[in-house]
Amino acid sequence: ETGVTQSPTHLIKTRGQQVTLRCSSQSGHNTVSWYQQALGQGPQFIFQYYREEENGRGNFPPRFSGLQFPNYSSELNVNALELDDSALYLCASSSGKHNSPLHFGNGTRLTVT
Amino acid sequence: QKEVEQNSGPLSVPEGAIASLNCTYSDRGSQSFFWYRQYSGKSPELIMSIYSNGDKEDGRFTAQLNKASQYVSLLIRDSQPSDSATYLCAVEIGSSGSARQLTFGSGTQLTVLP
Repeated sequence: ETGVTQSPTHLIKTRGQQVTLRCSSQSGHNTVSWYQQALGQGPQFIFQYYREEENGRGNFPPRFSGLQFPNYSSELNVNALELDDSALYLCASSSGKHNSPLHFGNGTRLTVT
Repeated sequence: QKEVEQNSGPLSVPEGAIASLNCTYSDRGSQSFFWYRQYSGKSPELIMSIYSNGDKEDGRFTAQLNKASQYVSLLIRDSQPSDSATYLCAVEIGSSGSARQLTFGSGTQLTVLP
């Protein structure tokens, strides 16, 4: 059973650019959620995808968008990058069943300069 | 207002001692509670989940939940230097059919001194 994998592991972008982060969910998991973790803070919920549709969103602006593909993998897109977008971006997959725990991937460290 | 509160620490305990980590939450509708361990530069790793009042033990770890007091804790017995990490408390309000959103505290940094 493969775990959650994310790519790339590190990324440096310039303010105003756009970025795409990728996530492959754990085998058998159809739900993917994305979190942003700023330095010294806990992760914050960005959004969740189930069956290729966004079914929940946290307090993030529309320039944060995503996709889920038929194989349940997912992308997080961030447009018009700001310095405050520098963070660890975490993807988590789950079976979607009540009380099933979330398991995180290794994350993508994004630095915006 | 922060929905999940943790003492930021740092918390230092000697090797072999019991480490006690505490967390309070504001939403009485919260149903699921998790403790994650995060080593510096790494992603959070699930170590305990608890859903009903009382204690749940798994090896050296014990999670305690008191929904009336809106309080969840994690005890680590026989602490080891390898337990040194940031411990994140996470709370889920979800219900079936809705997005499974975890709300995290800011974490407590634990250092176990050899």
